[in-house]
Amino acid sequence: EAQVTQNPRYLITVTGKKLTVTCSQNMNHEYMSWYRQDPGLGLRQIYYSMNVEVTDKGDVPEGYKVSRKEKRNFPLILESPSPNQTSLYFCASREHSGRANEQYFGPGTRLTVT
Amino acid sequence: AQTVTQSQPEMSVQEAETVTLSCTYDTSESDYYLFWYKQPPSRQMILVIRQEAYKQQNATENRFSVNFQKAAKSFSLKISDSQLGDAAMYFCAYRSAAYGNKLVFGAGTILRVKS
Repeated sequence: EAQVTQNPRYLITVTGKKLTVTCSQNMNHEYMSWYRQDPGLGLRQIYYSMNVEVTDKGDVPEGYKVSRKEKRNFPLILESPSPNQTSLYFCASREHSGRANEQYFGPGTRLTVT
Repeated sequence: AQTVTQSQPEMSVQEAETVTLSCTYDTSESDYYLFWYKQPPSRQMILVIRQEAYKQQNATENRFSVNFQKAAKSFSLKISDSQLGDAAMYFCAYRSAAYGNKLVFGAGTILRVKS
């Protein structure tokens, strides 16, 4: 089954404690992205990757890091989480080719930073 | 930078009735794609319908259709014969054809369906 998986689905942590949210896709997609969803703001892109070892900032990259060492994986790293990073996070992927090809989303990770 | 505006934070519809969700966007590009996503309480993002800007014909998927007005930069979603399972948050989204690295989302509209 074609899918994007994220782990963990729920995470409560404390300020400053480094964490990683994993993302993996089994569709051999080139493009992968991370978004955060906040009430009244919709989803905003944090980082994206166009292929292995190619990453770039989205609209809200502060406080986050990413890496793309393998095509299927795109982890999101919070080196020193702060309460303003409490949010719902989505990983997404899509093929590079094709026009209006669909973006596939993971199930989301609810992060709470206290 | 492109922006997407959904001016209706919440909408309600009676079961079996029709409802229209509004979306406007701002862009200087001529080639782009527009999408409507549904987010039920499970939080999963589900693609409802997509429109390519160069296609004049409005997209339709079963009970879901769009009214795409390119000159007005408007992209509304019409849901016919509303069902209880249609209750969800709906997001309108834009993607550039030239710089297709991200989706730009609106703030969302919560749709409530009354039985």
